Amino acid sequence: RKEVEQDPGPFNVPEGATVAFNCTYSNSASQSFFWYRQDCRKEPKLLMSVYSSGNEDGRFTAQLNRASQYISLLIRDSKLSDSATYLCVLPYSGGGADGLTFGKGTHLIIQP
Amino acid sequence: EAQVTQNPRYLITVTGKKLTVTCSQNMNHEYMSWYRQDPGLGLRQIYYSMNVEVTDKGDVPEGYKVSRKEKRNFPLILESPSPNQTSLYFCASSLSRGRYGYTFGSGTRLTVV
Repeated sequence: RKEVEQDPGPFNVPEGATVAFNCTYSNSASQSFFWYRQDCRKEPKLLMSVYSSGNEDGRFTAQLNRASQYISLLIRDSKLSDSATYLCVLPYSGGGADGLTFGKGTHLIIQP
Repeated sequence: EAQVTQNPRYLITVTGKKLTVTCSQNMNHEYMSWYRQDPGLGLRQIYYSMNVEVTDKGDVPEGYKVSRKEKRNFPLILESPSPNQTSLYFCASSLSRGRYGYTFGSGTRLTVV
């Protein structure tokens, strides 16, 4: 069974600060990863995909460290609207189930 | 607009009364899946489907049924709901889940009393 571990937080961060959190995984064969954002009681929405060593999109940077088996999400110049739960997601197949393994999420609160 | 549509959004029912949650996607995706989300447990896969007439169990299939008679639809059936099935349910679809991840529906909040 493939596992994904995240620090649940909450991370309380002042507006404008840079925040980073990690996600560790146990399946070293994974070639791609995703970060999803989930607002309270709403559906998860894809934030970033990571296929190689990393990806950057505006204020968001995702990096992959295969040797240590973790991926990180960095948010620069954080906004109040960044407050959400961030889910680390690992695709897998086989072994009787197929789909995505979700971490339980890291809760981020951006404070004014 | 490309989307996954679930209905109903909210449902309160009584123990033992059969119900169906519908899910439809308009993106011609082959993969579809149902998840439930509970506090402290995160998202857990109930059933998935790799194509029409191809379905298989996820991590928590007990008490649920699915069908995939058409590519766009993937209903979730609770034959005899029980209170431990009170949860937030999400349907999701994907063109290639390893490359693009899933697109999720807006969720169905089910309460079984």
